[in-house]
Amino acid sequence: EPEVTQTPSHQVTQMGQEVILRCVPISNHLYFYWYRQILGQKVEFLVSFYNNEISEKSEIFDDQFSVERPDGSNFTLKIRSTKLEDSAMYFCASKESGVRDYEQYFGPGTRLTVT
Amino acid sequence: ILNVEQSPQSLHVQEGDSTNFTCSFPSSNFYALHWYRWETAKSPEALFVMTLNGDEKKKGRISATLNTKEGYSYLYIKGSQPEDSATYLCAFAYSGAGSYQLTFGKGTKLSVIP
Repeated sequence: EPEVTQTPSHQVTQMGQEVILRCVPISNHLYFYWYRQILGQKVEFLVSFYNNEISEKSEIFDDQFSVERPDGSNFTLKIRSTKLEDSAMYFCASKESGVRDYEQYFGPGTRLTVT
Repeated sequence: ILNVEQSPQSLHVQEGDSTNFTCSFPSSNFYALHWYRWETAKSPEALFVMTLNGDEKKKGRISATLNTKEGYSYLYIKGSQPEDSATYLCAFAYSGAGSYQLTFGKGTKLSVIP
């Protein structure tokens, strides 16, 4: 069964460093998302991407964040200068269609630790 | 601000017991309600997408109901097994979200004791 994959599973970085989190969505999907979960808190929406551009973003997704779909298969989240509060589990998700009863499929997440 | 609440936060049940938990969400601008099953270090697994008031869905021993007018959904597990131990997440999509992004509850952590 097709699945969303994410790499790396765990990334440790120092404050101020840039990180890139990678995702390979399911191949025929059209909508792509990043979410994050800070330990002990709810999963929060960061950004959605459709038709090669950002379609919506939350207030969390500030200028330090960017997303890209560089080659038609990968979907990346870049954090330019990490802060301690960026430590979280980051999930990528994809959805085949805009039809309301279609599932969003999630990857296993990348745990980002900023020291 | 959209608020999705789940209760209880956690529960322990004996193998063979049936259980249920609740998700409450805003009753206005409803679009869809998703249930996920999430085991640590794995991808959240999609269980159900529910869109119509009165919807009931079933997958094996797990079923869910939806009441969009009062803003709640129940997830039921019949005859719990140890492999049902996981965190169950509900997530709400509202009709103003152009890209159908989800707003999550905090989850209900279920532990099934053999």
